[in-house]
Amino acid sequence: NAGVTQTPKFQVLKTGQSMTLQCAQDMNHNSMYWYRQDPGMGLRLIYYSASEGTTDKGEVPNGYNVSRLNKREFSLRLESAAPSQTSVYFCASSELGRGPAQYFGPGTRLTVL
Amino acid sequence: GNSVTQMEGPVTLSEEAFLTINCTYTATGYPSLFWYVQYPGEGLQLLLKATKADDKGSNKGFEATYRKETTSFHLEKGSVQVSDSAVYFCALNPQTGANNLFFGTGTRLTVIP
Repeated sequence: NAGVTQTPKFQVLKTGQSMTLQCAQDMNHNSMYWYRQDPGMGLRLIYYSASEGTTDKGEVPNGYNVSRLNKREFSLRLESAAPSQTSVYFCASSELGRGPAQYFGPGTRLTVL
Repeated sequence: GNSVTQMEGPVTLSEEAFLTINCTYTATGYPSLFWYVQYPGEGLQLLLKATKADDKGSNKGFEATYRKETTSFHLEKGSVQVSDSAVYFCALNPQTGANNLFFGTGTRLTVIP
């Protein structure tokens, strides 16, 4: 039982390049989330998927797209990376219901030059 | 709106000292409250949670009580260890809408032998 896995762990991009961050969970959770973590700002929600087949914007969605590929997998895409997207990205998952705990992956550290 | 205000860090304590990290919140409705811990280079791990007023969450010697009257969820531990050195995040789930978490900015704890 690996929980939530993310790939890659580290990535360096040049401005304008694109990439996809992958996330998978094996806990049979319905809901999945993408957050970014910046110094002094805690974590902020980028996009979420309440259940398979649905996605919605969070607090900071600009410059990102997501795909809920199936119940297990939820990817985050940067179409044209910008230095402001330098951050650590975390994927999380949870059960449905009111106020469930979320379980986080190990993160992807992204640097955009 | 929903927000979490957390005690500014960093906090440095000697081993076996008493720990308190303050957390207060603003929320619409009746949120669930959480403490997450992040060890260096890792993702966030759920430390404890409370889902309604007067609930006490506890785990690994840490405790926090959901105080609706003071809108607080302070984290405490009676005797810290070097292995408790980490960043601690307070978070709330408003139990409405996206079901996502709102995080405080984190408090870095360093425990010295």
